[in-house]
Amino acid sequence: QVQLVESGGGVVQPGTSLRLSCAASGFTFRTYVMHWVRQGPGKGLEWVAGIPYDGSNEYYADSVKGRFTISRDNSKNTLYLQMNSLRTEDTAVYYCARGTGAMVRGVLDYWGQGALVTVSS
Amino acid sequence: QSALTQPRSVSGSPGQSVTISCTGTSSDVGGYNYVSWYQQHPGKAPKLMISDVTKRPSGVPDRFSGSKSGNTASLTISGLQAEDEADYYCCSYAVSYTWVFGGGTKLTVL
Repeated sequence: QVQLVESGGGVVQPGTSLRLSCAASGFTFRTYVMHWVRQGPGKGLEWVAGIPYDGSNEYYADSVKGRFTISRDNSKNTLYLQMNSLRTEDTAVYYCARGTGAMVRGVLDYWGQGALVTVSS
Repeated sequence: QSALTQPRSVSGSPGQSVTISCTGTSSDVGGYNYVSWYQQHPGKAPKLMISDVTKRPSGVPDRFSGSKSGNTASLTISGLQAEDEADYYCCSYAVSYTWVFGGGTKLTVL
């Protein structure tokens, strides 16, 4: 069965960095688009970043562009999110999600359980 | 990348129907047939309920249906059941390979 397991969350100070990982199993990882979506405490969902199956491009929300980097290692079935210059407003649960079909459709059919990132001084 | 507009809450009694709206612009909802809907129970990950405006993934009850008119997409849940009580989010493709979610709607089954 499809499984997505995020790791790497924690409590960090503003201005510092953190890297999230998402280990995928139960499907052919290298053939699927992947995304990161976050949810602030008591808030709604926010799309953060997406990457095609081959890692040939990276797409970002304006709120994280220039600070976050999405990447993938298809040999390790793992998705990453490098987060630099973290701000208090980046505090959220970060979900990795599998995209199905053409990337433009933005259909996220499987989600991980999320990793909590808290940015606080 | 402004969030799509959803009502903060809707409610209905068991067996009734409710509709949740999702309003965007011609640059997102109105410009593409790439609207998805997600259900989220408290403390859980979101679950895909509708894709491509109207498509229902395998395993999703046919009580759930989607539609779109102009810049507004809608999710209709008929024959409400207690387990439908959850938060619902719409999501649309926007320009240049970005996606935007709605603010979310809390559905209460009375």
